[in-house]
Amino acid sequence: DAGITQSPRYKITETGRQVTLMCHQTWSHSYMFWYRQDLGHGLRLIYYSAAADITDKGEVPDGYVVSRSKTENFPLTLESATRSQTSVYFCASTRTGHYTEAFFGQGTRLTVV
Amino acid sequence: EDKVVQSPLSLVVHEGDTVTLNCSYEVTNFRSLLWYKQEKKAPTFLFMLTSSGIEKKSGRLSSILDKKELFSILNITATQTGDSAVYLCAPFGDDKIIFGKGTRLHILP
Repeated sequence: DAGITQSPRYKITETGRQVTLMCHQTWSHSYMFWYRQDLGHGLRLIYYSAAADITDKGEVPDGYVVSRSKTENFPLTLESATRSQTSVYFCASTRTGHYTEAFFGQGTRLTVV
Repeated sequence: EDKVVQSPLSLVVHEGDTVTLNCSYEVTNFRSLLWYKQEKKAPTFLFMLTSSGIEKKSGRLSSILDKKELFSILNITATQTGDSAVYLCAPFGDDKIIFGKGTRLHILP
């Protein structure tokens, strides 16, 4: 099915473990984004990518790593998870040209214990 | 530094009232401004604004952009309980989309 999908939808992990959140889109959108959403903070940009092999830090990149070897995939890795990274993570994508909405995945609820 | 400020942060009104939500922004290389509605899941798209002074409308919702003063407003007329949600403003500039903290709107029956 066309669209943008995130996996897993829910994840519980232990402090110090590495965890990867997946994001896949079928539209060949150039732009992809990762956000985290916490109460009182709205959606905060973690990393973004304008094209394959081009990534940039957003507002809150510390503790996260991304890669974009293929246009359709934009995985987010927590190298050593901390409790402060407990959050809901959203991936989004949009076309080039800027004149379009951003489409969101369903979100991943991550709990670090 | 890019900045998006939404006001008010929270609003409680009665069904049938009209509300105005505000968004001011500072971003580099501005391209467009997006409005989203968020209930208990992922944000859903409402409007995209690119030009000043042109009102976008969808039913009871409307929005307008002022690129000179760097702000946008979202109006909701004849509010209904189903309008209760968080409304998010997001300017798109310099290859990234950043979000304000949102306005939490609660409609009382």
